[in-house]
Amino acid sequence: TQLLEQSPQFLSIQEGENLTVYCNSSSVFSSLQWYRQEPGEGPVLLVTVVTGGEVKKLKRLTFQFGDARKDSSLHITAAQPGDTGLYLCAGAGFQKLVFGTGTRLLVSP
Amino acid sequence: NAGVTQTPKFQVLKTGQSMTLQCAQDMNHEYMSWYRQDPGMGLRLIHYSVGAGITDQGEVPNGYNVSRSTTEDFPLRLLSAAPSQTSVYFCASSYRTSGTQYFGPGTRLTVL
Repeated sequence: TQLLEQSPQFLSIQEGENLTVYCNSSSVFSSLQWYRQEPGEGPVLLVTVVTGGEVKKLKRLTFQFGDARKDSSLHITAAQPGDTGLYLCAGAGFQKLVFGTGTRLLVSP
Repeated sequence: NAGVTQTPKFQVLKTGQSMTLQCAQDMNHEYMSWYRQDPGMGLRLIHYSVGAGITDQGEVPNGYNVSRSTTEDFPLRLLSAAPSQTSVYFCASSYRTSGTQYFGPGTRLTVL
């Protein structure tokens, strides 16, 4: 059983649509990271959120850390085919970084 | 800098065989970890190390051993391979647990 559950597991949308990916846990984390993974490669860091309630923006991507530091969301505005990939959240606890179950996003032209 | 390197890239084993997956980093990172990735499961932590000489278990440590004799190297040993260990294995390193994780290219392992 993984500590971090992501939803949805899979999302297939058209270019230009908006979407939100959720990352939920019953555990409190000191920080939470979001990664994107392309096929055949390792994950690459997108952002780290540290403070409860924190919101960070990376171009069309908006990341939010829950007030209680147990959950996070990733919102993409006007998705593009280049956003296609596997999105992973990861929570930092004491000496451990655990990853979520992943959300596979497919954006079609 | 080469970053995080993993060898081999692909490996096929028979049930019961043992092998070592190599991982090395040249960024002087203290924290290193091994994950396995199965379809629909995200990444699951196998073992991790917060520095040379210190290792600990993650979520799914059974069937795997690790050692950290140097800062640079963190090999993962499969003691007696089983089909359930068929997966893609990623090694990662960072300055600290909550820091940016730098991943290797992965090792795709098939156990027949």
